[in-house]
Amino acid sequence: EVQLVQSGPEMKKPGESLKISCKGSGYNFATYWIAWVRQMPGKGLEWMASFYPGDSDTRYSPSFQGHVTISGDKSTSTAYLQWSSLKASDTAMYYCARQSSPWNWGQGTLVAVSS
Amino acid sequence: QSALTQPASVSGSPGQSITISCTGTGSDVGKYDLVSWYQQHPGKAPKVVIYELTKRPSGVSNRFSGSKSGNTASLTISGLQAEDEADYHCCSYAGTDTWVFGGGTKVTVL
Repeated sequence: EVQLVQSGPEMKKPGESLKISCKGSGYNFATYWIAWVRQMPGKGLEWMASFYPGDSDTRYSPSFQGHVTISGDKSTSTAYLQWSSLKASDTAMYYCARQSSPWNWGQGTLVAVSS
Repeated sequence: QSALTQPASVSGSPGQSITISCTGTGSDVGKYDLVSWYQQHPGKAPKVVIYELTKRPSGVSNRFSGSKSGNTASLTISGLQAEDEADYHCCSYAGTDTWVFGGGTKVTVL
């Protein structure tokens, strides 16, 4: 069974750094793109970026380029989404998804940023 | 890369059919048959109900169907049921390994 398990909720202060994770199992992690999707409170879904574990290729939405960094480690079947300096506006639920047909989604990681 | 346009809300009575539109451009919805639809209940992760424009995953009711005309994709829910009340999001491939979502539509069962 394909599963994507994300790291737990985070409470951070503005200016702090953060790295959240998404661990895949039940398939060859290296051969599928992993997407990161943001959902701000009460809002729709937004594609942020995608990571290809096989060669570490990345794609970013223009809206998120420069604000976040995606990476991964195919040896541990884990993808990452990180911020170097969080803002209050980064408060949201973040989902990872395997870009298969159809996509398989993780359970989401809630990130709350407040002073 | 602009978000796809969906109506904010759609409502219908039990047993009726409703259709949710998702309008993009000739660079995304109009160019590729890689449109998916997600159902999301409050506090839950999105669940795919349609992928690759018209395909239904195993276990999804055949009351859900997808179609496209020009730059607009549509999700039709027939025989509306109380359990269909949720938010629905469309998503389209936009080329060069990029994707775009719609703003989401709240479906209310009257």
